[in-house]
Amino acid sequence: AIQMTQSPSSLSASVGDRVTITCRASQGIRNDLGWYQQKPGKAPKLLIYAASSLQSGVPSRFSGSGSGTDFTLTISSLQPEDFATYYCLQDYNYPQTFGQGTKVEIK
Amino acid sequence: QVQLQESGPGLVKPSGTLSLTCAVSGGSISSSNWWSWVRQPPGKGLEWIGEIYHSGSTNYNPSLKSRVTISVDKSKNQFSLKLSSVTAADTAVYYCARRFWGIDIWGQGTMVTVSS
Repeated sequence: AIQMTQSPSSLSASVGDRVTITCRASQGIRNDLGWYQQKPGKAPKLLIYAASSLQSGVPSRFSGSGSGTDFTLTISSLQPEDFATYYCLQDYNYPQTFGQGTKVEIK
Repeated sequence: QVQLQESGPGLVKPSGTLSLTCAVSGGSISSSNWWSWVRQPPGKGLEWIGEIYHSGSTNYNPSLKSRVTISVDKSKNQFSLKLSSVTAADTAVYYCARRFWGIDIWGQGTMVTVSS
């Protein structure tokens, strides 16, 4: 199975900060990667698909980049509602595998 | 728009079989999507369980493959998950979901506890 390694596992940031989360695949996955946001007690929400395509209805402060093995999720200006846990998911091959998550907390 | 709703017992005995159903509303299960199950143990990350296409084609996580069956009932517009020989390690929130470009639609999730 492809291993997805996210970093950092947690971070503290302030409203307005630029935040970057990375995900590294153990082998190349083209651009078959999505980013998800999960708030406590809620289902995950798709933010980015195909590594860099913004899901409909998601604010433009979220962006994704990367291809092959290295991927990045960027929040350009952190908002209060963005404090959550973020996961990457590769669907290049089976089994689909998630990163371990990055918890974004208030500084 | 498409909505998903999980249903099933919230408590399953060890060595028993976990059975959940996901009702699809606002759209057809025969559309060109994969229908997925994902789980999340309390306080932990997400694990992909498997998925099914309306034709019946399935893909499973090898870590669970010997115990998992996902099926589809087009007449009821729903799909189901069965996980056999459960242990406490299978205690989790179970989500059904739709995969199109990414997993774009999720059910609210249902907590299943394995305990005697």
